[in-house]
Amino acid sequence: DAGITQSPRHKVTETGTPVTLRCHQTENHRYMYWYRQDPGHGLRLIHYSYGVKDTDKGEVSDGYSVSRSKTEDFLLTLESATSSQTSVYFCAISESWYRGDENYGYTFGSGTRLTVV
Amino acid sequence: QQPVQSPQAVILREGEDAVINCSSSKALYSVHWYRQKHGEAPVFLMILLKGGEQKGHDKISASFNEKKQQSSLYLTASQLSYSGTYFCGTEMGIMIYNQGGKLIFGQGTELSVKP
Repeated sequence: DAGITQSPRHKVTETGTPVTLRCHQTENHRYMYWYRQDPGHGLRLIHYSYGVKDTDKGEVSDGYSVSRSKTEDFLLTLESATSSQTSVYFCAISESWYRGDENYGYTFGSGTRLTVV
Repeated sequence: QQPVQSPQAVILREGEDAVINCSSSKALYSVHWYRQKHGEAPVFLMILLKGGEQKGHDKISASFNEKKQQSSLYLTASQLSYSGTYFCGTEMGIMIYNQGGKLIFGQGTELSVKP
């Protein structure tokens, strides 16, 4: 199995506080992604990274920031948590995302369940 | 725009077949399929790259029609282990060289296989 871990696995935080979720990989994969999963919405892309210090926004990036200072770590920060950010957050990695490289899909971490009260 | 999956949910008996569809209002360059069991992470099933392409994965196969901007996942002779939520993922916009692609996922199709 690909080595990808998310921490923490569960977190409860108060509205207005900053929160940082961590995704750590041991596969040296170039591409890393943050998704949130909510009932009825499936998986929605928040931010992604295509290299160290190279990041881009996804569908639902408002209220979130990311950083990637090392290949293995991709951090997601909720700048001021709100109840609408209560969700399950998944990190994913991909070795290659060139359309012709069909052997590699995304590998997902186990998720972080975040509750904002 | 998020691809649309249909049906939203389906209940099968063991041995029955099912088809899950994924449609996009935008041009499709590739389609991924994933399965997620309750409380677990999504797991990659397959990727389809070319129009008209079909792939098989055990008794799960898929087709991709780029002209119609849709893909279908076929589950034949379903087993209890096939239960879960199935997601299709499509590229968000045109891929920029070296930046890779970004997948937008459909809302999911919940499949329940009963004994």
